Amino acid sequence: SAVISQKPSRDICQRGTSLTIQCQVDSQVTMMFWYRQQPGQSLTLIATANQGSEATYESGFVIDKFPISRPNLTFSTLTVSNMSPEDSSIYLCSVEERSGAQGSIQYFGAGTRLSVL
Amino acid sequence: AQKVTQAQTEISVVEKEDVTLDCVYETRDTTYYLFWYKQPPSGELVFLIRRNSFDEQNEISGRYSWNFQKSTSSFNFTITASQVVDSAVYFCALSEARSGGSYIPTFGRGTSLIVHP
Repeated sequence: SAVISQKPSRDICQRGTSLTIQCQVDSQVTMMFWYRQQPGQSLTLIATANQGSEATYESGFVIDKFPISRPNLTFSTLTVSNMSPEDSSIYLCSVEERSGAQGSIQYFGAGTRLSVL
Repeated sequence: AQKVTQAQTEISVVEKEDVTLDCVYETRDTTYYLFWYKQPPSGELVFLIRRNSFDEQNEISGRYSWNFQKSTSSFNFTITASQVVDSAVYFCALSEARSGGSYIPTFGRGTSLIVHP
C-alpha cells in the first residue's frame, strides 16, 4: 500500500489565521481525498483532489474555506482558512488504490490534529 | 443513500476476553464494498479488511475474524483473546461506485474499544 506522509502532525492556532496541511504520497496516485474528523465523531469527506483539475467539494464545504492544491500526482495541500474554534478537528489525507477488478481501498495518512483557540 | 450504523459507542473488556463489534449497513446497490479500519490513539486510520458484496465467506486473520451476512445487512468484527494493544476506535465503512468510477466510503460513527489489563 502507498505510504502517506502528512504534516504538520498537530498544531495549535489562533482564530482568524490559516493553516496549510501537506500530504505527500510515495507513489503516483490519481485521486487524493481530504477528510475531517471532529472530536468524537466519524470521518466526513471534505473534497476530492485530482491532479490538473479543480477539487470537487462535498456538500457543506466550500473552496473559500478549504482551498486545495494538487500540483502533481504525489502531493496535495489543504488550507483551513480564517479558522474558528469549530475547525478544531483531525484532518486526514487519503489515497485510493484500485483493488481487484472493481472497487478500491482508501489508505490514510496519520492525520493533522488542529486546535483553534 | 448509503448508511452505516455502529450502535455500540464504547465497549470495555478485560484482556483475553472475546469481543464483537457490530456493523449494520444500508444500500440500494447490488455491488458494494465493506471495510473495517482501526484508529489507535495516535490518530492514523489503519486498513484492516475489505469485503465485496458477492463474497459472503467469513474471514479469519489471526485473532481477528469477520462475519458478513447479507440477509441481515451486517458485517461484524470479532477480536478473540483481546489485548491491551487492541484498544482503539474501530470504524466500519461502506462504499458504492460513484460517477467517475471512484469508490468513496461512508463511515460509521465508530466503536471505541477499551481493553483493560
